[in-house]
Amino acid sequence: GAVVSQHPSWVICKSGTSVKIECRSLDFQATTMFWYRQFPKQSLMLMATSNEGSKATYEQGVEKDKFLINHASLTLSTLTVTSAHPEDSSFYICSASSGTLGYTFGSGTRLTVV
Amino acid sequence: DQQVKQNSPSLSVQEGRISILNCDYTNSMFDYFLWYKKYPAEGPTFLISISSIKDKNEDGRFTVFLNKSAKHLSLHIVPSQPGDSAVYFCAASVGGSEKLVFGKGTKLTVNP
Repeated sequence: GAVVSQHPSWVICKSGTSVKIECRSLDFQATTMFWYRQFPKQSLMLMATSNEGSKATYEQGVEKDKFLINHASLTLSTLTVTSAHPEDSSFYICSASSGTLGYTFGSGTRLTVV
Repeated sequence: DQQVKQNSPSLSVQEGRISILNCDYTNSMFDYFLWYKKYPAEGPTFLISISSIKDKNEDGRFTVFLNKSAKHLSLHIVPSQPGDSAVYFCAASVGGSEKLVFGKGTKLTVNP
């Protein structure tokens, strides 16, 4: 079946630093990947849609300069949280569309900004 | 405005009994619905889906029912097992769009 690997699974960083999260489709090519954010007891909120070889499409209210998305290949998308602040602490999850296989999610990244 | 609503934040059932998780939606353009199961600190895993052209889809112990007129769907798990304890998310999409809109989730606890 389709597998999506997301790293790191957790990260603690200092305010003002940047953190990169990777999302890889291991056994299929993903032309489209999605980045979600989940606050405690809240739904998964779509942040942006990442398309291979083109700019990401951000949802309303998501700062594109703060959450940099790069989808350089058909198997890798990265989310970089720039100049992180404590309010950016959250659970970030990527998802890849595998066509007939549907959506496959990564295991998520718990980001804590101190 | 939340387009997909799961009004019960938690549900507790006994092993062997039926678990019924509910989901309501407001956007009549939604035509594809999915249920995901999520354990703490993990990504969601796909359970079952249903297209708006159907009113029922079954896969083993999991059945999803769709009532389009009521804009309501439900996930039935029978018999419930302790390993089913997790948070269940309802999600919906429009017209083949790959964007999913999620509910807030319902935490299911199946007691032995």
